[in-house]
Amino acid sequence: EVYLVESGGTLVQPGGSLRLSCAASGFGFSNYHMDWVRQAPGKGLEWLSYITSGSTDTYYADSVKDRFTVFRDNANNFLFLQMNSLRPEDTAVYYCARDGMRGYDMDYWGQGTLVTVSS
Amino acid sequence: QSALTQPASVSGSPGQSITISCTGTSGDIGGYNYVSWYQQYPGKAPKLLICGVNNRPSGVSNRFSGSKSGNTASLTISGLQADDEGNYYCASFTSRRTLVFGGGTKLTVL
Repeated sequence: EVYLVESGGTLVQPGGSLRLSCAASGFGFSNYHMDWVRQAPGKGLEWLSYITSGSTDTYYADSVKDRFTVFRDNANNFLFLQMNSLRPEDTAVYYCARDGMRGYDMDYWGQGTLVTVSS
Repeated sequence: QSALTQPASVSGSPGQSITISCTGTSGDIGGYNYVSWYQQYPGKAPKLLICGVNNRPSGVSNRFSGSKSGNTASLTISGLQADDEGNYYCASFTSRRTLVFGGGTKLTVL
């Protein structure tokens, strides 16, 4: 069975940095593209970033471009999101998701990890 | 990238059919057949219902169907059931090689 487990969410001050992790199991992680999506409290889903299976390409939403970096460790089945220059509006539950083989849809999701940016 | 436009809420009675629309532009929905739909219950992770405009992943009920016409995609739920109540989101690939979600639609089963 496919499992995605995020970790690393916590309370951080504005301007600070944080790295989220997503541990993948139950599938050939290195064969799949992956995404990060977030959801602010009481709000809708916001796509953040995408990384190809071999890390050759990455894409970002304008809201996080130049502040967030997605990368992966295929040897150990981990996906990461490095978040810098955090702002209060980055407060959200952050989900990692597996991209389906058809492309550009997310067929498995983790349970999410909460990031709170506040002083 | 602006969010796709969905109605904030829809409602229906058990057994009825409802349709949720999702409107974008030629740079997203209208230009690609990469529209997906997700169901989300409060406090839970989203679940993929429809991919590639009108394809159901294994295990998804055939009561859920998707379509697209021009810049607008639609999700139809037939034979409405109480546990269909929740939030529904559309998403599309875009010309900037990003993804964009709709604002979400709250479905109430009366």
